[in-house]
Amino acid sequence: QQQVKQSPQSLIVQKGGISIINCAYENTAFDYFPWYQQFPGKGPALLIAIRPDVSEKKEGRFTISFNKSAKQFSLHIMDSQPGDSATYFCAPSYNFNKFYFGSGTKLNVKP
Amino acid sequence: NAGVMQNPRHLVRRRGQEARLRCSPMKGHSHVYWYRQLPEEGLKFMVYLQKENIIDESGMPKERFSAEFPKEGPSILRIQQVVRGDSAAYFCASSPTTVTSGNTIYFGEGSWLTVV
Repeated sequence: QQQVKQSPQSLIVQKGGISIINCAYENTAFDYFPWYQQFPGKGPALLIAIRPDVSEKKEGRFTISFNKSAKQFSLHIMDSQPGDSATYFCAPSYNFNKFYFGSGTKLNVKP
Repeated sequence: NAGVMQNPRHLVRRRGQEARLRCSPMKGHSHVYWYRQLPEEGLKFMVYLQKENIIDESGMPKERFSAEFPKEGPSILRIQQVVRGDSAAYFCASSPTTVTSGNTIYFGEGSWLTVV
């Protein structure tokens, strides 16, 4: 069983604050670590992803930090905005064609 | 450029009926994936198909569920004799070829199945 544990389940952040979501995995064969964003009634959309040969990747307000030895990776959202309110999923993969989704983190950014 | 198209978006079936969910991949995409999302949970992989071939069906329930991606037309996920536990959102995704770090899979907006 490919186990992926995501935390927290829900998160409330004030506008302008930093949102941090964590993902722990067991399978050391994983070699692709994406975060997906999902709005209600919509499909998930790729937000940002990282390969294990780097420890951090930044795209705009979104940063992935990767700790290979701890088998963890996290998503940081800087200057959080109400429009970021959504559910976020980590979904590591080891062959790109099958993604193992975490249980999701519901983020609410208060104005 | 149209994205991954799924229909119907919402489907209500009585227990014992059949449900057929359709997915048209993005233009130029030849790989299709089906995922299921139960309420308040993450997506679970069901099956990966190329045209006329099932590549990986390790996530498909052994009974009542089948999938196809014919040479012409959309991919179909078929659920026979539906039960209440089949109520979920079913997402289709597509990719141009085998996914690498240079591309990704693209999800449709899902088909919400309710079994009453």
